[in-house]
Amino acid sequence: DAGITQSPRHKVTETGTPVTLRCHQTENHRYMYWYRQDPGHGLRLIHYSYGVKDTDKGEVSDGYSVSRSKTEDFLLTLESATSSQTSVYFCATGTGQVLAGATDTQYFGPGTRLTVL
Amino acid sequence: GQNIDQPTEMTATEGAIVQINCTYQTSGFNGLFWYQQHAGEAPTFLSYNVLDGLEEKGRFSSFLSRSKGYSYLLLKELQMKDSASYLCAVRPSWGKLQFGAGTQVVVTP
Repeated sequence: DAGITQSPRHKVTETGTPVTLRCHQTENHRYMYWYRQDPGHGLRLIHYSYGVKDTDKGEVSDGYSVSRSKTEDFLLTLESATSSQTSVYFCATGTGQVLAGATDTQYFGPGTRLTVL
Repeated sequence: GQNIDQPTEMTATEGAIVQINCTYQTSGFNGLFWYQQHAGEAPTFLSYNVLDGLEEKGRFSSFLSRSKGYSYLLLKELQMKDSASYLCAVRPSWGKLQFGAGTQVVVTP
């Protein structure tokens, strides 16, 4: 599995405060992703990156921003946290290989449990 | 829009076989993945199908029919450690995955 770490692993914050979650990978994967996971919804893509400084929105991007200044780090920022952003956040990475036979599997970090009061 | 459906929960006995179905309607198709997720942990990759047919990996097999928008994950010789959520995910375009809500499998003694 890819070496993916997330920090912090748990966070409790108050409505209206800014929050930044960090994802760090040691596999030199080109693609990085942020998902949120909520009961009944499964994993939903927030933002993803296909290279340093190259990012794009996913299906639930409102209220979130991302930055990727180095291949190994992908940051997710909640500019002003709301209770609806209470969730478990997963980072994932993938090679983005388009060669024949490549599966481009996504590998997941351990997750960050965020509670917004 | 994108739609991926799988049952919410299934219960089976240790040693038995369970089949988890997944149907999908997506704007494109570039492969289907199955992930296993134990409670409180990260999803881990189980299998990948891009062509029609059956892929076998030990006790786990996955089947795909692209014309029917259908896949299943077959778990044989169930063990207690197989109690987990199983996630079906479709890659509608390169680099992205669309996930179903997951199927919770409960294995009983």
